[in-house]
Amino acid sequence: IAGITQAPTSQILAAGRRMTLRCTQDMRHNAMYWYRQDLGLGLRLIHYSNTAGTTGKGEVPDGYSVSRANTDDFPLTLASAVPSQTSVYFCASSEIPAGGNEQFFGPGTRLTVL
Amino acid sequence: GQNIDQPTEMTATEGAIVQINCTYQTSGFNGLFWYQQHAGEAPTFLSYNVLDGLEEKGRFSSFLSRSKGYSYLLLKELQMKDSASYLCAAMDSNYQLIWGAGTKLIIKP
Repeated sequence: IAGITQAPTSQILAAGRRMTLRCTQDMRHNAMYWYRQDLGLGLRLIHYSNTAGTTGKGEVPDGYSVSRANTDDFPLTLASAVPSQTSVYFCASSEIPAGGNEQFFGPGTRLTVL
Repeated sequence: GQNIDQPTEMTATEGAIVQINCTYQTSGFNGLFWYQQHAGEAPTFLSYNVLDGLEEKGRFSSFLSRSKGYSYLLLKELQMKDSASYLCAAMDSNYQLIWGAGTKLIIKP
C-alpha cells in the first residue's frame, strides 16, 4: 500500500539521550517534511527537503537534524533530547514543493522526554 | 510576521450546516489548504484554493478571498463522523505551509 510509514509509533525517552525517528515513503515524492504538533499550536515545520540530497531549516529546527540520502527516507534525529521536545511528530511528503501539491502525512510518532 | 487565525472550537448538530472561518497573513501566497484531523490520527487533505471563489466537493466546500486574506470551509449535512479538527494552512512564497492551530468541531445528535 502506497504511503508514508513512521517508526516508532511511540517512545518514552530519558532526557539527554539520542533518538532517531524514521520516515519512509514509497510514492517517489520529491519533497519531505518533519512537523511537530503540540496542543493549542498549529503544526510547526522543523526541517524539510525539497529533493534528495538537500535539506532546509523550518520554523523550529534547534535541537533537531535531518538527512536525505535518497528519495524514500527522511530520518529526524534528536541529538540530546530535552523535555520540551515532548510532542507528536509527523512526517509528510509532497510530489513537488509547489502550489497545489497536497502534503501526505504519516501516522505520527508520539514522543515523551522525561 | 506570518499568522493563521481560526476558532478553537465549534459545536453543531447532526444534519445541519457549519462554516469554519480562517484568516491568514503570509509572506507571499501560493494557496490555501484545508485538512481534517481525527483525534489521534494524521491530517488528511480536504481542499485547495488559489483563486477567489467557491470550490465544491460533495458535502464540503471551500471559499477563498485573496484580497481579504480570508477562507472558510463549509460542511453540509453534518454526520457524526465529521467530528474532528479542521486545519487551515496557507502556502507562503517559499511553498511552505503555515498552519493554524485547528478548529475542533463537535457534532451533537
